[in-house]
Amino acid sequence: TQLLEQSPQFLSIQEGENLTVYCNSSSVFSSLQWYRQEPGEGPVLLVTVVTGGEVKKLKRLTFQFGDARKDSSLHITAAQPGDTGLYLCAGGIIQGAQKLVFGQGTRLTINP
Amino acid sequence: DAGVIQSPRHEVTEMGQEVTLRCKPISGHDYLFWYRQTMMRGLELLIYFNNNVPIDDSGMPEDRFSAKMPNASFSTLKIQPSEPRDSAVYFCASSLAAGGVYNSPLHFGNGTRLTVT
Repeated sequence: TQLLEQSPQFLSIQEGENLTVYCNSSSVFSSLQWYRQEPGEGPVLLVTVVTGGEVKKLKRLTFQFGDARKDSSLHITAAQPGDTGLYLCAGGIIQGAQKLVFGQGTRLTINP
Repeated sequence: DAGVIQSPRHEVTEMGQEVTLRCKPISGHDYLFWYRQTMMRGLELLIYFNNNVPIDDSGMPEDRFSAKMPNASFSTLKIQPSEPRDSAVYFCASSLAAGGVYNSPLHFGNGTRLTVT
C-alpha cells in the first residue's frame, strides 16, 4: 500500500480547461513537495508547502496543504500543452529516519 | 552549474550478471539518495547517505543490492546477481538537507534505465 495516494492516476484534457490533482494520506507530514517529471528526465521541484492550510501560487498553478497536513492539492488554471507531464507529490516523514516518500503520480496530458 | 550526473543512461544485462550504477552529486550537497521508479510502485527510496555515511537502507530490497559512497563526489549502487524484476529506472538525487523535514528540494539526475533479460 502507498503511504501517499494520488488521484487521478491519469488525466487527459483539452487546452484551456482547469484541473485539480489530489494527494491524500492518513499520515501527518512535516512538509509536502510537488514535483513534475518529463520523459527521460528526473523529477524537478515545483513547490514546498509546510504549514497546514498553506496556499502557494506558481503562475497558473495553485498548491494547497491540508489543515491537518495529511493531504494536498494542485490546481491548474487554463491548462496548456506545456503542462503535460507526471506530477508527483512527496511528503516529509520520520520512519526510523527522516525521509521523503513519493506518491505514484498523476500523468497529465493536455491536448492542443 | 552541473547537476546530478548518473551513468550509464541505459543498461541492458542478462539475469545473473552484476550491475553497477554510478552517481556524482552536486558539489556541496551533503545528502545523497538512491530511488527506484517503476510503473507499479512509483518512486521508492532505496537508501540515503549523509556526509558519505548510510543513514537509512530500509528500502534496499534484499542482499543482492548494495550501495557505497567512498567520498563526497561519488556513489555506486550495485546489484549482484541481477534479476528481471530489478528492471526499472534508478535515480540518484542530492540535497543540502534531508528532504521534507528541512524543506530542501531533491535534485535528481536523469536516471539509469536498467533492463535485465
